[in-house]
Amino acid sequence: VSLVQSGAEVVKPGASVKVSCKASGYIFSEFYLNWVRQAPGQGLEWIGWINPRSGGRYLIPTLQDRATLTRDTSINTAYIELTNVTSGDTASYYCARSGKGGLLETWFDPWGQGTLVTVSS
Amino acid sequence: YVLTQPPSLSVAPGQTAKITCGGNNIETKNVHWYQQRPGQAPALVVYDETDRPSGVPERFSGSIAGNTATLTISRVEVGDEADYYCQVWHNSSPHPGVFGTGTKVTVL
Repeated sequence: VSLVQSGAEVVKPGASVKVSCKASGYIFSEFYLNWVRQAPGQGLEWIGWINPRSGGRYLIPTLQDRATLTRDTSINTAYIELTNVTSGDTASYYCARSGKGGLLETWFDPWGQGTLVTVSS
Repeated sequence: YVLTQPPSLSVAPGQTAKITCGGNNIETKNVHWYQQRPGQAPALVVYDETDRPSGVPERFSGSIAGNTATLTISRVEVGDEADYYCQVWHNSSPHPGVFGTGTKVTVL
């Protein structure tokens, strides 16, 4: 079971960025995927989830206007897209699978390796 | 919902490290713990307060009493130097996935 994320990104303020998370080793549609971010030198912040089976999703209020969670079940991949980015979006973004099939409120395991998004002009 | 951890903890090799995680009514929730070594992604070390994933040494154990969950690392090794985070779900919050503030464990 593994999650492999896309590579590091450098984006200009006001631009958009899309990070992918490709799952393998399990049935993609059976486990929720969560997204967690970590600003440089800071702690972990959970930011949302997507249900790969139904497409249902949730984002924390501060990101609801600027972020979108999607998935492509044909290639077992989930995405987070951020628009109109600012320096405050500079962080490592992790995808993490929920630990129990069909359940959201569980532990996170495994994690992707992380994608560093740097917002800089 | 806030989970409070001590910012740092120092321990000598071979000794025991106890990392606490405090939260209101935490004993009613399922508590999970993650280890994040420098430059790496977090990794699960304890789930549902006391269970260990396969591959995690028995030196890692979890407990909960009152308003505090505790991750105990016995016979600490240099390789245990990392940041540790507790995590719960708190559904009545706009941020239902909650991480603790994190504890940096330094092995002297």
